[in-house]
Amino acid sequence: AQTVTQSQPEMSVQEAETVTLSCTYDTSESNYYLFWYKQPPSRQMILVIRQEAYKQQNATENRFSVNFQKAAKSFSLKISDSQLGDTAMYFCAWGDDKIIFGKGTRLHILP
Amino acid sequence: EPEVTQTPSHQVTQMGQEVILRCVPISNHLYFYWYRQILGQKVEFLVSFYNNEISEKSEIFDDQFSVERPDGSNFTLKIRSTKLEDSAMYFCASREDRWSYGYTFGSGTRLTVV
Repeated sequence: AQTVTQSQPEMSVQEAETVTLSCTYDTSESNYYLFWYKQPPSRQMILVIRQEAYKQQNATENRFSVNFQKAAKSFSLKISDSQLGDTAMYFCAWGDDKIIFGKGTRLHILP
Repeated sequence: EPEVTQTPSHQVTQMGQEVILRCVPISNHLYFYWYRQILGQKVEFLVSFYNNEISEKSEIFDDQFSVERPDGSNFTLKIRSTKLEDSAMYFCASREDRWSYGYTFGSGTRLTVV
């Protein structure tokens, strides 16, 4: 079965600190995509970062980067210099056609 | 930047009533999806749609649900006889083709069944 596991239901960090959100997944596919989505209180789904499984280089988008370990099926998100606006629910997701989501990590950035 | 548009943003309906949720995908996209998120839970796949037919559907997508692309631009999700447990946020998504991952979500429709 294809599953996505986020082991941290909730995290809090001080503004400007670095935080890492964990994610593991399970699939027998060899080619797929991995995603981190941010969901603020408005409940809109905002794509934070995306990684193609066939690429070894970790994706980076400004303050957001991933640590993709394909053999370990691990896909963690690092947020550097965290800002108050980063406060949100973060979903890790796996996709080939449809997207399978984890249960999410609620991240609080504290002033 | 092109957007996936969903209407209405919030709909309240009585149990047993039919409801239609509407989505306008990005114009050159070919693959369309509906997802559901019950409050406080994860986002769940409902159905995918390509070439005017359902490609895949989840266990959630039972006979009460149907999808349609009536006019080449709108993509609708119909729930025939709503139940209290259908209350959720419903997201439409689209992407351009099978090999691109320009997967774009709409801003969602919050459905409340009373």
